[in-house]
Amino acid sequence: NAGVMQNPRHLVRRRGQEARLRCSPVKGHSHVYWYRQLPEEGLKFMVYLQKENIIDESGMPKERFSAEFPKEGPSILRIQQVVRGDSAAYFCASSPPLGHEKLFFGSGTQLSVL
Amino acid sequence: GENVGLHLPTLSVQEGDNSIINCAYSNSASDYFIWYKQESGKGPQFIIDIRSNMDKRQGQRVTVLLNKTVKHLSLQIAATQPGDSAVYFCAEGNAGNNRKLIWGLGTSLAVNP
Repeated sequence: NAGVMQNPRHLVRRRGQEARLRCSPVKGHSHVYWYRQLPEEGLKFMVYLQKENIIDESGMPKERFSAEFPKEGPSILRIQQVVRGDSAAYFCASSPPLGHEKLFFGSGTQLSVL
Repeated sequence: GENVGLHLPTLSVQEGDNSIINCAYSNSASDYFIWYKQESGKGPQFIIDIRSNMDKRQGQRVTVLLNKTVKHLSLQIAATQPGDSAVYFCAEGNAGNNRKLIWGLGTSLAVNP
């Protein structure tokens, strides 16, 4: 059974470019969460999605960040016009329908903005 | 402002000893607590959870203790092994609302052979 798959593992972008991070949840999981982690810090919730729906984006910056989880294909976290402060590890997690609290995390994408 | 010079708390133990990792939580309304382990370069991995109607829960080599009076959570690892070396995070939230978990800073556990 494949776990949560994230790609790429490492992504380097120059300031002003776009970053697209992909996440394929555990097979059968319909809920996806994106978290951001700075070095030596905990995880900060960004967004919670179900298929074709954004349920909670209260942790997403108001500008430049967007997320989607289409009916077919992986969930995408998109960061437009990246700045150095966007450099971080971005983790995706998935879970079965509500009532099951345990999240399954991917290995993350390390974004470095030059 | 920035937390300049902030470092993760570190716990260093000898292989075979028991480890105790502590966590203070902030919200007295939280009713669900969870411990995750994060190895270098990997995503967090679930260890054990506990609801507020319990004060102790045991897993394989791990025990979580919850003291709601002082809002304190601890993770005990028995017979610590080198493979236990990782950063351990506690998180608090409300059962069924896992997207709103509030994560602690983390504690780095180093196991000396």
